[in-house]
Parts: sequence; structure tokens; C-alpha cells
Amino acid sequence: QKEVEQDPGPLSVPEGAIVSLNCTYSNSAFQYFMWYRQYSRKGPELLMYTYSSGNKEDGRFTAQVDKSSKYISLFIRDSQPSDSATYLCAMRVQGGSEKLVFGKGMKLTVNP
Amino acid sequence: EAGVAQSPRYKIIEKRQSVAFWCNPISGHATLYWYQQILGQGPKLLIQFQNNGVVDDSQLPKDRFSAERLKGVDSTLKIQPAKLEDSAVYLCASSSRQSSSGNTIYFGEGSWLTVV
Repeated sequence: QKEVEQDPGPLSVPEGAIVSLNCTYSNSAFQYFMWYRQYSRKGPELLMYTYSSGNKEDGRFTAQVDKSSKYISLFIRDSQPSDSATYLCAMRVQGGSEKLVFGKGMKLTVNP
Repeated sequence: EAGVAQSPRYKIIEKRQSVAFWCNPISGHATLYWYQQILGQGPKLLIQFQNNGVVDDSQLPKDRFSAERLKGVDSTLKIQPAKLEDSAVYLCASSSRQSSSGNTIYFGEGSWLTVV
């Protein structure tokens, strides 16, 4: 079993739709959870960051972490064509090396 | 603030040849990472430096890959000899422990390697 599992999609939605992206993980020591957005031929950029369990909202984006289920989600409201990208979940343990363990990434296309 | 700089952006080499990638992290960032991202997969850490010391190189194929970070700033990643399966994007990233976001890691745009 991989440490981090993410459905690679692809996912295609109409403009204005609510998008839900998810990852599951097996390592209960993970404490930091991130979502990165990666445009074509670019490096990943940090979108959302959550420590431990709970929700975090930033504009149209909401990140949720459920540590009891080892499940994290990213919701995008009122999706825009500019949101078309690959979304990568990433996580790491507290302390020690800051090594991020990434999911495979979900390719999202928002159609105008 | 300037981002993480990488060069070259694209490289095509034949198998068994060698290649080197260069990275200049964000100014003041003590931690530097090299990640490998194969098409359709998430990035995988190859090596992590703290200043000019190696923190984690457990997933670096040491028989063919080497990396150094002289003077604790710029870094180079070398592959010799290259194999077909080394075709990937090599991402350099850096972070500062002073970040308020739990050590936010900033990525460069990557160096795209094709081995033919």
C-alpha cells in the first residue's frame, strides 16, 4: 500500500461547478497536509496548508483533514477555467526531515 | 522576492551520457531539495540539504546520481550514466525555517530531462 493515494483522474467540469479532490494516506504520523497546484510545464505551487485535523478556508478553496479516517479533501467553489491544472496532495510528519510525500496528482479541466 | 532558479529547463541526452542540473534557491533559504517527478506521478524526494550538509538522501540512486551544495547556496544534481527511466522533471525546491506556514517549500519550474 502506498503511503499516499490519490485518484489521478482526469476530471473535467463546467465552469462554476464545485470540485472535490481527495487523498487517503496510511501513515498515522503525518501531521502537515498540503495541496499544491501545478500548471503545465511549471513547478508545483502551494495552495493550501493545514496542520493536524480540521478545516481551512481561503477564498474559493477549502481544505479538510480527517485524521481518524486518514482522508484529506480540497474543495473548489465556483470553479474557473484558470483553475485548470494538476492538483497534488502532499503531507509530512512533524519534526525530523521535512520530506513531503506526494500523491500522484489529479488533472482538473474547467470548461468555459 | 526572486523564486527558485533552475537550469537548463530542457535537456535531451542519449542513454549512458551524463547530465548536470543547477539550482539557485531563494535567498536566505537554508534547506534545499531535489525532487524527481516522472510523468503522471507526484514528485519524489531525491536529496535534502540543510545548508551544505545532507539531511536525507535515502531515495537517491547513488550508483548514478550525485548532488552537492557547496557553500550552502547553489546546488548541482548530476546523473552519470543516464538510463531511459531517468526521463523526468527534476524539481529543485527551497524552504526557510523562519516561514510562518510550517516550512513552506517553494519549487522551481523544473529541468525536463528526456533520455533517448
